Amino acid sequence: EDKVVQSPLSLVVHEGDTVTLNCSYEVTNFRSLLWYKQEKKAPTFLFMLTSSGIEKKSGRLSSILDKKELSSILNITATQTGDSAIYLCAETSGSRLTFGEGTQLTVNP
Amino acid sequence: EAQVTQNPRYLITVTGKKLTVTCSQNMNHEYMSWYRQDPGLGLRQIYYSMNVEVTDKGDVPEGYKVSRKEKRNFPLILESPSPNQTSLYFCASRRRGSETGATSSYNEQFFGPGTRLTVL
Repeated sequence: EDKVVQSPLSLVVHEGDTVTLNCSYEVTNFRSLLWYKQEKKAPTFLFMLTSSGIEKKSGRLSSILDKKELSSILNITATQTGDSAIYLCAETSGSRLTFGEGTQLTVNP
Repeated sequence: EAQVTQNPRYLITVTGKKLTVTCSQNMNHEYMSWYRQDPGLGLRQIYYSMNVEVTDKGDVPEGYKVSRKEKRNFPLILESPSPNQTSLYFCASRRRGSETGATSSYNEQFFGPGTRLTVL
């Protein structure tokens, strides 16, 4: 059974801090890993990672995949209160997506 | 506007009373899925469909049914709801992409706004 584990489950920081969110996976037929941001609504897509070691970047957010360690990290630099959300990691091994529990990030002013 | 719609957005019902949550997408996507989201458990897939008349169980299918008679619609049916089905439900759709997953097809997964269901 495919499994995705995220850590930490909850994180509280101050504006301007840099955070690193972790995602590890155990899958039988890995194809790609995805990150989503969920505020008080539906998840919105951030990144898709398929190749190890290649960083994807979007503004203050970046992510990288390590296939050897079966893990991925999501970095957010110079955090802002608008970054407060649940960050979801998911792996796809075909037709299905398996999500982790999510990391609840709270950025205080 | 490309979107996935769900109805109702909020529903409070009682144990055993059959209900249907509708999901519709206007992007001609082949793949559609239903998820439930519970605190501490993340999003879990209930059922998915790869095309019309093709459906398959996800991780937590018990107590749910789906149908895919038309490409745009993928209703979720609870024949006899129970309190443990109280949850936040999301429908999602995407187009069929490369089977290797190497394309950006998964970028295109659109989520509906969610349906908050309470079963008393």
